[in-house]
Amino acid sequence: DSGVTQTPKHLITATGQRVTLRCSPRSGDLSVYWYQQSLDQGLQFLIQYYNGEERAKGNILERFSAQQFPDLHSELNLSSLELGDSALYFCASSAANYGYTFGSGTRLTVV
Amino acid sequence: GEDVEQSLFLSVREGDSSVINCTYTDSSSTYLYWYKQEPGAGLQLLTYIFSNMDMKQDQRLTVLLNKKDKHLSLRIADTQTGDSAIYFCATNYGATNKLIFGTGTLLAVQP
Repeated sequence: DSGVTQTPKHLITATGQRVTLRCSPRSGDLSVYWYQQSLDQGLQFLIQYYNGEERAKGNILERFSAQQFPDLHSELNLSSLELGDSALYFCASSAANYGYTFGSGTRLTVV
Repeated sequence: GEDVEQSLFLSVREGDSSVINCTYTDSSSTYLYWYKQEPGAGLQLLTYIFSNMDMKQDQRLTVLLNKKDKHLSLRIADTQTGDSAIYFCATNYGATNKLIFGTGTLLAVQP
């Protein structure tokens, strides 16, 4: 157990739908990062939050949004889902420059 | 922009040494990391090196950094079948400590 908890582990949904992925960071970590991992794109940085505020944005689509709550957990909202959004979505947290701690991911399948 | 590249595949025999290579473009990276991803799992931080170091050894793992050539390598001594996984190198980027990941190298260990 890495200390970073992601739910759900698997999600199957239809095109056009909206889903919410949840992440609880490791205790004490203020930064949360979201990554998308797909076969053709590799690991793509989506967005970073630090203590409730957005810090950096990567290749995140306008249909996707995220937030970090006062208790530091984060949610990634994916809407108007397309087949190409099927991927593994990872959350990671960090306290300093000693690398990220990753959760085990949410596997999203859009059918 | 920032870019991190790795070879896609490496096959070794059990007991041999494995060397996984990585090149990066951002000379301002201060930390460089190696992660391991086993099938169906998240990414696990293996080791990291500060940019002012040339080498770091941690049990069977040796990291070599050539800052001039922007080249990072991970050597695994006495490779075991349990080392079979995808290995990612990553560099930190910018003030937000965003990590940029390479494409990953699939290490296959033959018994």
